Amino acid sequence: QQQVKQSPQSLIVQKGGISIINCAYENTAFDYFPWYQQFPGKGPALLIAIRPDVSEKKEGRFTISFNKSAKQFSLHIMDSQPGDSATYFCAASAGNTPLVFGKGTRLSVIA
Amino acid sequence: AAGVIQSPRHLIKEKRETATLKCYPIPRHDTVYWYQQGPGQDPQFLISFYEKMQSDKGSIPDRFSAQQFSDYHSELNMSSLELGDSALYFCASSFPTSGYNEQFFGPGTRLTVL
Repeated sequence: QQQVKQSPQSLIVQKGGISIINCAYENTAFDYFPWYQQFPGKGPALLIAIRPDVSEKKEGRFTISFNKSAKQFSLHIMDSQPGDSATYFCAASAGNTPLVFGKGTRLSVIA
Repeated sequence: AAGVIQSPRHLIKEKRETATLKCYPIPRHDTVYWYQQGPGQDPQFLISFYEKMQSDKGSIPDRFSAQQFSDYHSELNMSSLELGDSALYFCASSFPTSGYNEQFFGPGTRLTVL
């Protein structure tokens, strides 16, 4: 059973557009929700993360929206660029436990 | 800034051979996690260590073992390798006493079993 469900599986966005990736979780003990960006053959890179005591966090063009009651969180990439083309993983953990990842979203930003 | 170091970056082995993967965490990070990522898959947790003690265990086969040494580097030992062990193996490190479970991943070791 996938503890963190991620959608869509793949996403094509025009350059300059907004990319939106969604995740949902079941375990209410989760208290840390990071997003990772991964290029082919490379390690996942921590992009942005949020704790459940805030509903939104913004860093540059990347924003996490968090809905605790719905147990959902999403990543918004504003002004998407071709260099953003990568696979994005949401994840969750409770305390210092290992991360549980979503299945990933392959983002393609086309000019 | 210093990052997680993994070696070797690529490894080719025959079936039934053994392999040792090494991970050097970011300085001052005391926790190491090992993940396995198959092609097109999400990373799957294998095992973790905090202050040289095993802290969590995931879907790690009995053929695999790992440990964390006094300098906090960690090694993943894999024996009786099978074709299905071919994957990317990532090590991540964190400093949990900071209050946040920020895990920073290394570049990975690509293991190919022939």
